[in-house]
Amino acid sequence: GQNIDQPTEMTATEGAIVQINCTYQTSGFNGLFWYQQHAGEAPTFLSYNVLDGLEEKGRFSSFLSRSKGYSYLLLKELQMKDSASYLCAIRWGNTPLVFGKGTRLSVIA
Amino acid sequence: DAGVIQSPRHEVTEMGQEVTLRCKPISGHDYLFWYRQTMMRGLELLIYFNNNVPIDDSGMPEDRFSAKMPNASFSTLKIQPSEPRDSAVYFCASSPPGRGHGNEQFFGPGTRLTVL
Repeated sequence: GQNIDQPTEMTATEGAIVQINCTYQTSGFNGLFWYQQHAGEAPTFLSYNVLDGLEEKGRFSSFLSRSKGYSYLLLKELQMKDSASYLCAIRWGNTPLVFGKGTRLSVIA
Repeated sequence: DAGVIQSPRHEVTEMGQEVTLRCKPISGHDYLFWYRQTMMRGLELLIYFNNNVPIDDSGMPEDRFSAKMPNASFSTLKIQPSEPRDSAVYFCASSPPGRGHGNEQFFGPGTRLTVL
């Protein structure tokens, strides 16, 4: 099956760093996306990884290891507005994106 | 530029009624996706179109659901008859040409459907 595993919930402190992990089935892997979704809003694109390594975008970075079927989203200098769900989405072969159930991040003072 | 537009934003209806959700994708995008999101099942793909043609509808729950895309700027998702278990947020998303449907998807604001 096309399983995507993410933690359901995480809590972190304002100003800190948090890492949200995503593991997936490696066979046929063809790209990984991270989306952010605030409560009651639509998902918005954060990052795309298709090759191994780290992609950095300001306070957010995304890492991929294709051989391990593993990715993480790293959020630095956490702000209260970062409280949201973070969705890992995978493309296998030529199929459309499959979304994980998301990790609900709560940032506390 | 306008993003993906969906209407209505909220819909409350009674079991057995017909519900029609509407979507206008971003101009120039050639892929359109319909998703359903619930707490239990997360974000599920229902159907997607490429150049107005339905490509994969394997995610459509049952015959009560149907979707059309009569032109590049408009799509509908219809539920007839509606049931309480259809209550969810329905998102429409579009993506530009270039990497097929592997491109970034742009989501509309969603329609929150409640079936009583």
